Amino acid sequence: QKEVEQDPGPLSVPEGAIVSLNCTYSNSAFQYFMWYRQYSRKGPELLMYTYSSGNKEDGRFTAQVDKSSKYISLFIRDSQPSDSATYLCAMSSYGGNQFYFGTGTSLTVIP
Amino acid sequence: EPEVTQTPSHQVTQMGQEVILRCVPISNHLYFYWYRQILGQKVEFLVSFYNNEISEKSEIFDDQFSVERPDGSNFTLKIRSTKLEDSAMYFCASTQTSGGFKEQYFGPGTRLTVT
Repeated sequence: QKEVEQDPGPLSVPEGAIVSLNCTYSNSAFQYFMWYRQYSRKGPELLMYTYSSGNKEDGRFTAQVDKSSKYISLFIRDSQPSDSATYLCAMSSYGGNQFYFGTGTSLTVIP
Repeated sequence: EPEVTQTPSHQVTQMGQEVILRCVPISNHLYFYWYRQILGQKVEFLVSFYNNEISEKSEIFDDQFSVERPDGSNFTLKIRSTKLEDSAMYFCASTQTSGGFKEQYFGPGTRLTVT
């Protein structure tokens, strides 16, 4: 069963662009929706998470969750070359130990 | 800033050999995890460990795999008889919380190559 789907890209944008990254999922039990950033040869690093539906903003990053559509998004405003990385969405149920990851989207921000 | 560490960074082994991957979780964390990522594929959950026992495991975590916390700091993943398809990045993670959201902190990974 394909729990979480994510377009692997790669995505290449000019510096300053708005980036939109998306995931869809099938499991209605998911309550926590996370975005991780992974640099080459490093482990995933949590960027932000959202509980249930709604939006959450942290600086240049905005996460959106639409549970009715089973669709989540991460927006990056004013993208910087340092944002170049692979972005992974991940999800879990309430209190769940197991995180379900997307395949990751490779992003390159060109100076 | 505290971080999860893993050793070795790269392990090469022959098919059929046993390997042990080592992790040192963040010191005050209570839950420990192993994930793997086959090249080009998703990060996949293997097992979670709490209070010296497995709390959850995936279908991937069969009898060839075992985990152990041999002392107060290390957390290990053992693969008894490696197969070619075990070649992957293995990530250890840990979390402090027992509440609704368990923020998992990941280590840098061990790249396992089975030849």
